[in-house]
Amino acid sequence: SQQGEEDPQALSIQEGENATMNCSYKTSINNLQWYRQNSGRGLVHLILIRSNEREKHSGRLRVTLDTSKKSSSLLITASRAADTASYFCAPHHFYSGGYNKLIFGAGTRLAVHP
Amino acid sequence: DSGVTQTPKHLITATGQRVTLRCSPRSGDLSVYWYQQSLDQGLQFLIQYYNGEERAKGNILERFSAQQFPDLHSELNLSSLELGDSALYFCASSVELRSNEQFFGPGTRLTVL
Repeated sequence: SQQGEEDPQALSIQEGENATMNCSYKTSINNLQWYRQNSGRGLVHLILIRSNEREKHSGRLRVTLDTSKKSSSLLITASRAADTASYFCAPHHFYSGGYNKLIFGAGTRLAVHP
Repeated sequence: DSGVTQTPKHLITATGQRVTLRCSPRSGDLSVYWYQQSLDQGLQFLIQYYNGEERAKGNILERFSAQQFPDLHSELNLSSLELGDSALYFCASSVELRSNEQFFGPGTRLTVL
């Protein structure tokens, strides 16, 4: 099973600043996904980047993937207080059995202060 | 709103008891997943069902069991509850067996006293 490890564990910034979170993993992947979790609530899918892609954008989110280094980064630009949440990466590999479990790391806890 | 519903929202019970958590996936989603999130263990995958059949197992205890019914809703049964079972239990769903994106429900917060 594939687990991503997010870094840093916690990040505290001011509104308007950029936030960068990193994810490392160990084996080959088909894609890597980022999820956000507001305190005590369900995870929300943010963005997916495929193994043959290097960069992807979605609104204020920018994700990069370096398969040679087995790492990904999530950049949130012009952060807002509403971005305060935990962020998880989920490296994803399609197993021959066809199952689809996601293994989450401990996440990065982002706090954006007004 | 992800379209995944979970009931109940909160559950408080005593050690040794048995509870059932219920999940209704998004309309059209065939695959259902259960996750447990606790402070010390983080977010752990428990089990996946696809169209009524168990397809993958994670860190699910023998005291726990799940099933997916013909109408595709799923139930997670937790028995002989222990204090350490206190956690948030999430259900997620996806369209296919190997869909990339999973849609999470709001969770059930279980407190075992």
